[in-house]
Amino acid sequence: GAVVSQHPSWVICKSGTSVKIECRSLDFQATTMFWYRQFPKQSLMLMATSNEGSKATYEQGVEKDKFLINHASLTLSTLTVTSAHPEDSSFYICSGGARVYTDTQYFGPGTRLTVL
Amino acid sequence: KNEVEQSPQNLTAQEGEFITINCSYSVGISALHWLQQHPGGGIVSLFMLSSGKKKHGRLIATINIQEKHSSLHITASHPRDSAVYICAPLGGSQGNLIFGKGTKLSVKP
Repeated sequence: GAVVSQHPSWVICKSGTSVKIECRSLDFQATTMFWYRQFPKQSLMLMATSNEGSKATYEQGVEKDKFLINHASLTLSTLTVTSAHPEDSSFYICSGGARVYTDTQYFGPGTRLTVL
Repeated sequence: KNEVEQSPQNLTAQEGEFITINCSYSVGISALHWLQQHPGGGIVSLFMLSSGKKKHGRLIATINIQEKHSSLHITASHPRDSAVYICAPLGGSQGNLIFGKGTKLSVKP
């Protein structure tokens, strides 16, 4: 099956720093990729939809200036958590598919962010 | 009311038992995913369903679009099936999935 990679798999950073998470589709082109966040013992919540060549669409309550998304190519989307705070500590996961309405979604392995 | 309701929330079974996880949803969709999330966090899509029934190995998934209900069955369960199973209809405005809270399955040897 198709593969989506994420890097890094885990990161620990100090409060106030910025962290960039990369999501790559390795064997398919993804016009659209999704970024989710999962807090402990909770379900995944959509943060934003990343569209190649255009601005990301953010869900209500997600600050676009804090969570910067760049979909630079059909195989790479990045999420940058700017000025990270301890409450941003979470599990971040991306997904993509060749065609979101008709094809299966492939998930990255996730990035565990801990902000001290 | 949650848009996606799964039952049960937790399930403990003995190896070899037949497992059923149910999902009811209120969002209007054309397809639904069943996902498996292991303790490390990684997620795998087991099935994408738009109608009827699909089978993959010991896993069977069914869906009734009219009734907005889907079930995931595991035959001859095994300890390696222990994971969280998530029902996720395709219902978001962006083509995104909407996630249930998941069913935590533990299969004892």
